[in-house]
Amino acid sequence: DTEVTQTPKHLVMGMTNKKSLKCEQHMGHRAMYWYKQKAKKPPELMFVYSYEKLSINESVPSRFSPECPNSSLLNLHLHALQPEDSALYLCASSQDLGDRGLEQFFGPGTRLTVL
Amino acid sequence: AQSVTQLGSHVSVSEGALVLLRCNYSSSVPPYLFWYVQYPNQGLQLLLKYTSAATLVKGINGFEAEFKKSETSFHLTKPSAHMSDAAEYFCAVSRSGSNYKLTFGKGTLLTVNP
Repeated sequence: DTEVTQTPKHLVMGMTNKKSLKCEQHMGHRAMYWYKQKAKKPPELMFVYSYEKLSINESVPSRFSPECPNSSLLNLHLHALQPEDSALYLCASSQDLGDRGLEQFFGPGTRLTVL
Repeated sequence: AQSVTQLGSHVSVSEGALVLLRCNYSSSVPPYLFWYVQYPNQGLQLLLKYTSAATLVKGINGFEAEFKKSETSFHLTKPSAHMSDAAEYFCAVSRSGSNYKLTFGKGTLLTVNP
C-alpha cells in the first residue's frame, strides 16, 4: 500500500466552527507533513512530525493545531479560521527525516472553504 | 540555502510535440532534485527524482530529466506530449542535512492542444 489518504475531500466551515482534517498512511513511514496550497501556488510547509513528535512548526498561527496520535495518523485541528485560510491542505509522508526519507508521498488533499 | 526557479509559468504544446519544462536550482551543497505533477484538484505525484546516482533520470509516464551540474539545471522532457499530460508541474530541491524541507518552484502549467 503506497497511498496516503485524507478525509474529508471537501470541507466548508464558518469562522466560529471547530473541525479536523485527517490523514492516514500504512507505509510504515515515520515522518508526516502538513502543507497548505493556495490556488496557482506551490505547497507551503506547515508542520513536520517525526516519530510522532512535532519536529517543525513553520510559524503557523495557533488556530491550526496538529496532532499525531500514532505513527499512521496525522490530524489537523481547525478553530476560528479566517476566510484567507481557504486552501487545499495536503498531507505527505516519508520514510523518515534522514537520507532514506527523501521521497515524500502526498495525499489527494482536503479542499477547505472558510465562510 | 536552496532555491528553485522554473522558467515559464505556462507552457503550451501541441499533442505529439516535445515537452520541455525548465528548472534551475541553487544549493550550497549537492542537491536532491524532484519533479512533481499535480492534476486539477488532486495532490502531488512524484514523476522522478535525482539523488546523486545517474544524471539522466527516467520517470513515470515517459518523462525524463537530466541533471547538469555545470548549468545548475534539471529540465524535464517528454518526446511526445499527450492530452493527459496537461497539469501543473513543480520542480523541488532538497539537500542532505535538511531533508524534511522540500523547496518548490512556483510551478509550470502545461497545456496540450489537440
